[in-house]
Amino acid sequence: NAGVTQTPKFQVLKTGQSMTLQCAQDMNHEYMSWYRQDPGMGLRLIHYSVGAGITDQGEVPNGYNVSRSTTEDFPLRLLSAAPSQTSVYFCASRPGELETQYFGPGTRLLVL
Amino acid sequence: EDQVTQSPEALRLQEGESSSLNCSYTVSGLRGLFWYRQDPGKGPEFLFTLYSAGEEKEKERLKATLTKKESFLHITAPKPEDSATYLCAVQTDSNYQLIWGAGTKLIIKP
Repeated sequence: NAGVTQTPKFQVLKTGQSMTLQCAQDMNHEYMSWYRQDPGMGLRLIHYSVGAGITDQGEVPNGYNVSRSTTEDFPLRLLSAAPSQTSVYFCASRPGELETQYFGPGTRLLVL
Repeated sequence: EDQVTQSPEALRLQEGESSSLNCSYTVSGLRGLFWYRQDPGKGPEFLFTLYSAGEEKEKERLKATLTKKESFLHITAPKPEDSATYLCAVQTDSNYQLIWGAGTKLIIKP
C-alpha cells in the first residue's frame, strides 16, 4: 500500500492564482481531512469528509473548497491564493471515528 | 474553550539523558489522547493512543502516560535518532475532530 499520497510536494503561487492540492489514499478509509501547519501553532483543520459525497468545514475553511467524489480522492482547492495561505498542508485519512489517523508527506505552499 | 498545550517548546538533551515531555489539556470530555512523531519535511507518524486516566503505553524508549489533566511522554536513554517534533492531540466527546498542541521539538546530541 502507498498509504496517503499528496501532490505536488512544493508549489509557488502568485496572489490571486488558483490551484488544487491532490490527496489520495489506497486504504479504503472513510474519513479524510485536510490540515494546515504553521510555525508555533498546532495543526488546524480546514475541511474534512466522512465518506464519498459528504464534506464539512473545519476550523479554518475560508478560501478553500473540497469535494469527495470517490473514497480514494480528496482534493483541496485554493480559489484565489493569498499570502496568508502560505503554509504546509497535510492530508490525513482514518478508517473510523476513533481510529489512528495516517498522514501524507505534505505540500509546502508559498504564495507571493 | 477546548485547548491543548505542550511544553517545553524545545528540549535539548545529551544522548542517554532521560526526560519527559508534557501535554496538558482542558476539554469538556476526553475521548482519546494521541501522540505523534514528526520528522522534518514529513507528515506526522502515529505513536500512541490513550483513553483513560492511569493508562500507560510503551514503545522502545518511549512511554506515554495519562492523567485527568495531562499526558507525559517519557523518553528513556534517548538516542540521536529520537530527535523529532512530538505532537499531542485530543479528541473530545462533542465531535471526532482532533485538537492539536503546537509540539515539542526534541534534539538529542551525541
